[in-house]
Amino acid sequence: DADVTQTPRNRITKTGKRIMLECSQTKGHDRMYWYRQDPGLGLRLIYYSFDVKDINKGEISDGYSVSRQAQAKFSLSLESAIPNQTALYFCATSDSQGALVTGELFFGEGSRLTVL
Amino acid sequence: GEDVEQSLFLSVREGDSSVINCTYTDSSSTYLYWYKQEPGAGLQLLTYIFSNMDMKQDQRLTVLLNKKDKHLSLRIADTQTGDSAIYFCAETFSGNTPLVFGKGTRLSVIA
Repeated sequence: DADVTQTPRNRITKTGKRIMLECSQTKGHDRMYWYRQDPGLGLRLIYYSFDVKDINKGEISDGYSVSRQAQAKFSLSLESAIPNQTALYFCATSDSQGALVTGELFFGEGSRLTVL
Repeated sequence: GEDVEQSLFLSVREGDSSVINCTYTDSSSTYLYWYKQEPGAGLQLLTYIFSNMDMKQDQRLTVLLNKKDKHLSLRIADTQTGDSAIYFCAETFSGNTPLVFGKGTRLSVIA
């Protein structure tokens, strides 16, 4: 089983619908992230959370919200989806503990969202 | 703000060496990374280098860091078709700040 699991893997929806992408991890990491990937634009950070009570906006948070329900769960919501939110979304985790904190990210396999 | 730049495409013949380049703007970057994304998959860490190093070698991979020019490169020796993927450069000021990614370089290996 994957250490970082995203659901759904694929979703097609219509403009104005509310969408939730879920992420769960079994790595025991305290930090979780949501990135968006668009062709030619690379990965851009939407939100990140360093622990259950910590939520931070990233580079492109407008139109998105997140919830850190538990250390292992971090969900991304689009309250009213629009076509330019069509993208591949990645959840990632990292660990702040240990002798050497490098910030290395561990990624899920991605959730492909299409907004019509 | 921080910025990481990469060329978008690279095409090489099987067996040749590939060199993927990256430039970054934040001179205080502490950790620099190379990630690989295969089709339909998430990103996986290939290697990383600390800013106090000039070079790191790991089997077929060689990373070179020129701090003066803020330039990072990834050399893949004896490139194979299985190396075809998108390669992302990323950097962070410390292990406690989120990574900033480049746009990714799509490597195509021609048999």
